[in-house]
Amino acid sequence: KAGVTQTPRYLIKTRGQQVTLSCSPISGHRSVSWYQQTPGQGLQFLFEYFSETQRNKGNFPGRFSGRQFSNSRSEMNVSTLELGDSALYLCASSPVTSGGPADTQYFGPGTRLTVL
Amino acid sequence: AQSVTQLGSHVSVSEGALVLLRCNYSSSVPPYLFWYVQYPNQGLQLLLKYTSAATLVKGINGFEAEFKKSETSFHLTKPSAHMSDAAEYFCAVSAQTGSARQLTFGSGTQLTVLP
Repeated sequence: KAGVTQTPRYLIKTRGQQVTLSCSPISGHRSVSWYQQTPGQGLQFLFEYFSETQRNKGNFPGRFSGRQFSNSRSEMNVSTLELGDSALYLCASSPVTSGGPADTQYFGPGTRLTVL
Repeated sequence: AQSVTQLGSHVSVSEGALVLLRCNYSSSVPPYLFWYVQYPNQGLQLLLKYTSAATLVKGINGFEAEFKKSETSFHLTKPSAHMSDAAEYFCAVSAQTGSARQLTFGSGTQLTVLP
């Protein structure tokens, strides 16, 4: 099975712009989560989508948003970019079992966003 | 709320020596615990996870971890380090309530393996 894919892998934007990142989950996985990784804050949960609905959201401002399509692919959007948004954005997909929080999350390689 | 503390942001071991990476958790409900590894310019790869089936969990690449409720710990070990083990390791917790798949990560431990 192909793993989680994320596009693009690298992105350079300037302050004030907006950006859209894409994630394709492992085939058959219906849950997609997003995480931000920075040297200062580490790995932080952004949100989870399942069946095209946001199930859970981390402590990020409203500039961070996402969506999920009927084929489980997901996008996240960041508007009005700030320097502090420079980070590695990781997407993870998970099979939906009765385990819920016990389900393993499989991570993609990430998108490296640099805001100038 | 859950939290994870990883003691030691950098650990160095000689090739062939024991690897011990420490993780302590805080959770008001029984937790699910995970260890992930991250190689440079890559995403996270699952090493192992604890879901209450057995306290000693064996993972990939010779790693294992033991869940100790009394110590609120889930330390990662490997009997003999290999050069290819050099990477950053993250411990994570997921609450055993609801259906949310939200991981709370520790700050990570960078493992260096010396020849």
